[in-house]
Amino acid sequence: DAKTTQPTSMDCAEGRAANLPCNHSTISGNEYVYWYRQIHSQGPQYIIHGLKNNETNEMASLIITEDRKSSTLILPHATLRDTAVYYCIVTSQGAQKLVFGQGTRLTINP
Amino acid sequence: SQTIHQWPATLVQPVGSPLSLECTVEGTSNPNLYWYRQAAGRGLQLLFYSVGIGQISSEVPQNLSASRPQDRQFILSSKKLLLSDSGFYLCAWRSQGWVTEAFFGQGTRLTVV
Repeated sequence: DAKTTQPTSMDCAEGRAANLPCNHSTISGNEYVYWYRQIHSQGPQYIIHGLKNNETNEMASLIITEDRKSSTLILPHATLRDTAVYYCIVTSQGAQKLVFGQGTRLTINP
Repeated sequence: SQTIHQWPATLVQPVGSPLSLECTVEGTSNPNLYWYRQAAGRGLQLLFYSVGIGQISSEVPQNLSASRPQDRQFILSSKKLLLSDSGFYLCAWRSQGWVTEAFFGQGTRLTVV
Protein backbone atom coordinates (compact mmCIF):
# COMPACT_ATOMS: atom_id res chain seq x y z
CA ASP A 1 0.00 0.00 0.00
CA ALA A 2 1.13 3.54 -0.72
CA LYS A 3 2.46 5.63 2.14
CA THR A 4 0.77 8.78 3.35
CA THR A 5 2.12 12.00 4.83
CA GLN A 6 0.09 14.16 7.20
CA PRO A 7 0.90 17.16 9.36
CA THR A 8 1.62 16.20 12.94
CA SER A 9 -0.89 18.60 14.45
CA MET A 10 -3.45 21.24 13.54
CA ASP A 11 -5.71 23.65 15.37
CA CYS A 12 -9.13 24.90 14.35
CA ALA A 13 -11.68 27.21 15.94
CA GLU A 14 -15.01 25.78 16.96
CA GLY A 15 -17.66 26.35 14.29
CA ARG A 16 -15.12 26.76 11.51
CA ALA A 17 -14.34 24.24 8.81
CA ALA A 18 -11.41 21.97 9.61
CA ASN A 19 -9.38 21.01 6.54
CA LEU A 20 -6.98 18.12 7.07
CA PRO A 21 -4.51 17.44 4.24
CA CYS A 22 -2.96 14.13 3.27
CA ASN A 23 -0.26 13.47 0.72
CA HIS A 24 -0.22 10.10 -1.05
CA SER A 25 1.93 10.78 -4.07
CA THR A 26 2.72 7.11 -4.75
CA ILE A 27 -0.91 5.98 -4.82
CA SER A 28 -1.72 3.44 -7.50
CA GLY A 29 -4.82 3.18 -9.64
CA ASN A 30 -6.62 0.56 -7.56
CA GLU A 31 -5.95 2.13 -4.17
CA TYR A 32 -8.58 3.91 -2.14
CA VAL A 33 -8.12 6.74 0.33
CA TYR A 34 -9.62 6.08 3.77
CA TRP A 35 -9.96 8.39 6.72
CA TYR A 36 -10.38 7.34 10.34
CA ARG A 37 -10.29 9.25 13.56
CA GLN A 38 -9.35 8.24 17.08
CA ILE A 39 -10.73 10.04 20.07
CA HIS A 40 -8.53 9.74 23.13
CA SER A 41 -8.44 6.25 24.66
CA GLN A 42 -10.89 4.80 22.14
CA GLY A 43 -10.54 2.65 19.05
CA PRO A 44 -10.38 4.41 15.69
CA GLN A 45 -13.63 5.13 13.90
CA TYR A 46 -14.15 5.08 10.16
CA ILE A 47 -15.09 8.43 8.63
CA ILE A 48 -15.13 8.23 4.85
CA HIS A 49 -13.33 6.81 1.85
CA GLY A 50 -12.99 7.50 -1.86
CA LEU A 51 -11.26 6.43 -5.05
CA LYS A 52 -11.17 9.49 -7.30
CA ASN A 53 -14.45 11.33 -6.94
CA ASN A 54 -15.18 13.66 -4.09
CA GLU A 55 -17.32 12.09 -1.40
CA THR A 56 -19.60 13.43 1.31
CA ASN A 57 -21.43 11.81 4.17
CA GLU A 58 -22.97 12.94 7.42
CA MET A 59 -19.60 13.25 9.09
CA ALA A 60 -17.32 14.85 6.53
CA SER A 61 -16.36 15.56 2.94
CA LEU A 62 -13.40 14.09 1.11
CA ILE A 63 -11.77 16.03 -1.69
CA ILE A 64 -9.31 14.09 -3.85
CA THR A 65 -7.14 15.94 -6.34
CA GLU A 66 -7.44 15.04 -10.00
CA ASP A 67 -4.02 13.37 -10.03
CA ARG A 68 -5.01 11.55 -6.80
CA LYS A 69 -1.70 12.41 -5.18
CA SER A 70 -3.31 14.22 -2.29
CA SER A 71 -6.62 14.61 -0.53
CA THR A 72 -8.32 16.79 2.07
CA LEU A 73 -10.77 15.77 4.73
CA ILE A 74 -13.20 18.55 5.55
CA LEU A 75 -15.20 18.78 8.75
CA PRO A 76 -17.59 21.58 7.77
CA HIS A 77 -18.50 22.91 11.22
CA ALA A 78 -16.01 21.63 13.74
CA THR A 79 -17.13 21.05 17.32
CA LEU A 80 -15.11 20.35 20.45
CA ARG A 81 -16.02 16.68 20.07
CA ASP A 82 -14.08 16.58 16.81
CA THR A 83 -10.82 16.87 18.74
CA ALA A 84 -9.03 13.64 17.85
CA VAL A 85 -6.20 12.09 15.86
CA TYR A 86 -7.14 11.76 12.19
CA TYR A 87 -5.56 9.03 10.08
CA CYS A 88 -5.36 8.98 6.31
CA ILE A 89 -4.53 5.59 4.83
CA VAL A 90 -4.34 4.20 1.33
CA THR A 91 -5.32 0.62 0.66
CA SER A 92 -6.33 -1.48 -2.30
CA GLN A 93 -9.34 -3.69 -2.83
CA GLY A 94 -8.83 -6.95 -1.03
CA ALA A 95 -5.65 -5.80 0.69
CA GLN A 96 -4.84 -7.94 3.70
CA LYS A 97 -2.62 -5.55 5.63
CA LEU A 98 -4.00 -2.35 7.10
CA VAL A 99 -1.21 0.02 8.07
CA PHE A 100 -1.77 3.36 9.81
CA GLY A 101 0.67 6.26 9.94
CA GLN A 102 1.10 8.77 12.74
CA GLY A 103 -1.98 10.79 11.82
CA THR A 104 -2.81 14.44 12.52
CA ARG A 105 -3.73 15.53 16.00
CA LEU A 106 -6.57 17.98 15.48
CA THR A 107 -7.49 20.29 18.35
CA ILE A 108 -10.71 22.24 18.17
CA ASN A 109 -10.50 25.39 20.27
CA PRO A 110 -13.51 27.16 21.80
CA SER B 1 -25.20 -6.31 13.01
CA GLN B 2 -21.52 -6.89 13.50
CA THR B 3 -19.84 -6.30 16.84
CA ILE B 4 -16.34 -6.71 18.15
CA HIS B 5 -15.53 -7.54 21.75
CA GLN B 6 -12.15 -6.98 23.31
CA TRP B 7 -11.25 -7.57 26.94
CA PRO B 8 -10.15 -6.68 29.49
CA ALA B 9 -10.33 -2.91 29.22
CA THR B 10 -7.38 -2.35 31.53
CA LEU B 11 -4.69 -4.68 32.82
CA VAL B 12 -1.72 -4.27 35.14
CA GLN B 13 0.79 -7.07 34.97
CA PRO B 14 4.23 -7.62 36.53
CA VAL B 15 7.32 -8.00 34.39
CA GLY B 16 7.87 -11.62 33.46
CA SER B 17 4.23 -12.63 33.77
CA PRO B 18 2.25 -14.12 30.86
CA LEU B 19 -0.34 -12.26 28.82
CA SER B 20 -3.48 -13.28 27.01
CA LEU B 21 -5.78 -10.74 25.35
CA GLU B 22 -8.83 -11.98 23.55
CA CYS B 23 -10.86 -10.48 20.73
CA THR B 24 -14.05 -11.91 19.26
CA VAL B 25 -16.21 -10.74 16.39
CA GLU B 26 -19.91 -11.40 15.96
CA GLY B 27 -22.18 -11.07 12.98
CA THR B 28 -19.71 -11.80 10.21
CA SER B 29 -17.71 -14.72 8.91
CA ASN B 30 -14.17 -15.14 7.62
CA PRO B 31 -13.05 -11.63 8.55
CA ASN B 32 -9.51 -10.30 8.37
CA LEU B 33 -8.38 -9.73 11.96
CA TYR B 34 -5.75 -7.33 13.26
CA TRP B 35 -3.84 -6.55 16.44
CA TYR B 36 -2.36 -3.08 16.88
CA ARG B 37 -0.38 -1.47 19.67
CA GLN B 38 -0.26 2.21 20.47
CA ALA B 39 2.38 3.66 22.74
CA ALA B 40 1.50 6.84 24.63
CA GLY B 41 1.12 9.75 22.20
CA ARG B 42 2.07 7.64 19.21
CA GLY B 43 0.35 6.19 16.16
CA LEU B 44 -1.02 2.70 15.59
CA GLN B 45 1.58 0.00 15.05
CA LEU B 46 0.35 -3.11 13.26
CA LEU B 47 1.51 -6.18 15.20
CA PHE B 48 -0.27 -9.14 13.60
CA TYR B 49 -2.96 -9.82 11.07
CA SER B 50 -4.83 -12.95 10.06
CA VAL B 51 -6.83 -13.84 6.96
CA GLY B 52 -8.06 -17.20 8.24
CA ILE B 53 -7.99 -19.81 11.01
CA GLY B 54 -4.42 -20.62 11.94
CA GLN B 55 -2.99 -18.05 9.50
CA ILE B 56 -0.94 -15.39 11.28
CA SER B 57 1.29 -12.75 9.74
CA SER B 58 3.69 -10.94 12.04
CA GLU B 59 4.70 -7.39 11.22
CA VAL B 60 7.19 -6.60 13.95
CA PRO B 61 9.59 -9.02 15.66
CA GLN B 62 8.83 -8.83 19.34
CA ASN B 63 7.94 -10.53 22.56
CA LEU B 64 4.37 -11.21 21.48
CA SER B 65 2.54 -13.87 19.50
CA ALA B 66 -0.94 -14.21 18.08
CA SER B 67 -3.27 -17.09 17.38
CA ARG B 68 -6.59 -17.57 15.64
CA PRO B 69 -8.09 -20.80 16.94
CA GLN B 70 -11.57 -20.03 15.57
CA ASP B 71 -12.85 -17.98 12.65
CA ARG B 72 -13.92 -15.03 14.77
CA GLN B 73 -11.46 -15.27 17.65
CA PHE B 74 -8.06 -13.61 17.75
CA ILE B 75 -5.72 -13.93 20.73
CA LEU B 76 -2.62 -11.93 21.58
CA SER B 77 -0.18 -13.62 23.94
CA SER B 78 3.16 -13.31 25.62
CA LYS B 79 5.04 -15.84 27.73
CA LYS B 80 6.99 -13.18 29.66
CA LEU B 81 6.03 -9.53 29.59
CA LEU B 82 8.60 -6.75 29.34
CA LEU B 83 8.23 -3.17 30.50
CA SER B 84 8.28 -2.13 26.84
CA ASP B 85 5.12 -4.16 26.21
CA SER B 86 3.07 -1.51 27.98
CA GLY B 87 0.63 0.28 25.71
CA PHE B 88 -2.87 0.44 24.30
CA TYR B 89 -3.75 -2.72 22.37
CA LEU B 90 -6.47 -2.64 19.75
CA CYS B 91 -8.15 -5.43 17.86
CA ALA B 92 -9.87 -4.78 14.54
CA TRP B 93 -11.72 -6.67 11.84
CA ARG B 94 -12.42 -6.03 8.19
CA SER B 95 -14.39 -7.99 5.62
CA GLN B 96 -12.37 -9.77 2.97
CA GLY B 97 -12.82 -8.98 -0.68
CA TRP B 98 -14.35 -5.70 -1.73
CA VAL B 99 -13.42 -2.31 -0.37
CA THR B 100 -14.61 -2.04 3.20
CA GLU B 101 -13.72 -0.15 6.30
CA ALA B 102 -12.19 -1.64 9.44
CA PHE B 103 -13.97 -1.80 12.78
CA PHE B 104 -12.07 -1.52 16.02
CA GLY B 105 -12.64 -2.76 19.52
CA GLN B 106 -12.44 -0.44 22.49
CA GLY B 107 -8.91 -1.47 23.33
CA THR B 108 -6.98 -2.84 26.31
CA ARG B 109 -4.66 -0.57 28.21
CA LEU B 110 -1.79 -2.73 29.44
CA THR B 111 0.64 -1.49 32.06
CA VAL B 112 3.61 -3.69 32.83
CA VAL B 113 5.14 -2.90 36.22
